[in-house]
Amino acid sequence: QKEVEQNSGPLSVPEGAIASLNCTYSDRGSQSFFWYRQYSGKSPELIMSIYSNGDKEDGRFTAQLNKASQYVSLLIRDSQPSDSATYLCAGTDSNYQLIWGAGTKLIIKP
Amino acid sequence: DGGITQSPKYLFRKEGQNVTLSCEQNLNHDAMYWYRQDPGQGLRLIYYSQIVNDFQKGDIAEGYSVSREKKESFPLTVTSAQKNPTAFYLCASSILGGYTEAFFGQGTRLTVV
Repeated sequence: QKEVEQNSGPLSVPEGAIASLNCTYSDRGSQSFFWYRQYSGKSPELIMSIYSNGDKEDGRFTAQLNKASQYVSLLIRDSQPSDSATYLCAGTDSNYQLIWGAGTKLIIKP
Repeated sequence: DGGITQSPKYLFRKEGQNVTLSCEQNLNHDAMYWYRQDPGQGLRLIYYSQIVNDFQKGDIAEGYSVSREKKESFPLTVTSAQKNPTAFYLCASSILGGYTEAFFGQGTRLTVV
């Protein structure tokens, strides 16, 4: 069973701090990974895509991928109350199908 | 504007009734997906389609049906065989299967009355 696992949270982070969200995956053939943000009652929106080992930065967001450890993370710097949402991690398996984690609920406390 | 349009936003179904959820995209994406999301849960795949006139069952296809007669359209029918259809339904599309990122419509919230 191919899986993407996330801690369901909630993860509570003070405003202005760094929020660190983690995800592990079971399929070593996975090539692409995605982080989505989902506000309550809304559809998921893409934040970051990462395809190769290392870090990828976009504004306050940094995605990190370590294929040897089968681990992908999302760092949010200078966290804002508007960052409070559920963050979904997804990866493609060796058949190019998206496998979704259950999501981590992030709460930014003012 | 390019994007994915789902309609309606809210839908109410009576017991024993079939209902159809619409999903249209003008992104010229080949792959389209239907997901179901229950409160506090992740996304579960119902059906997906990589090309016109072809679609595959996902993890929870029982009680649902789809068609893909046009590249732009991927409607989902929730049949009376689906005993617990109340959920948030999300349609998504991507350029080429799961290798590239998927983009979502705004969702349809279905409630059984």
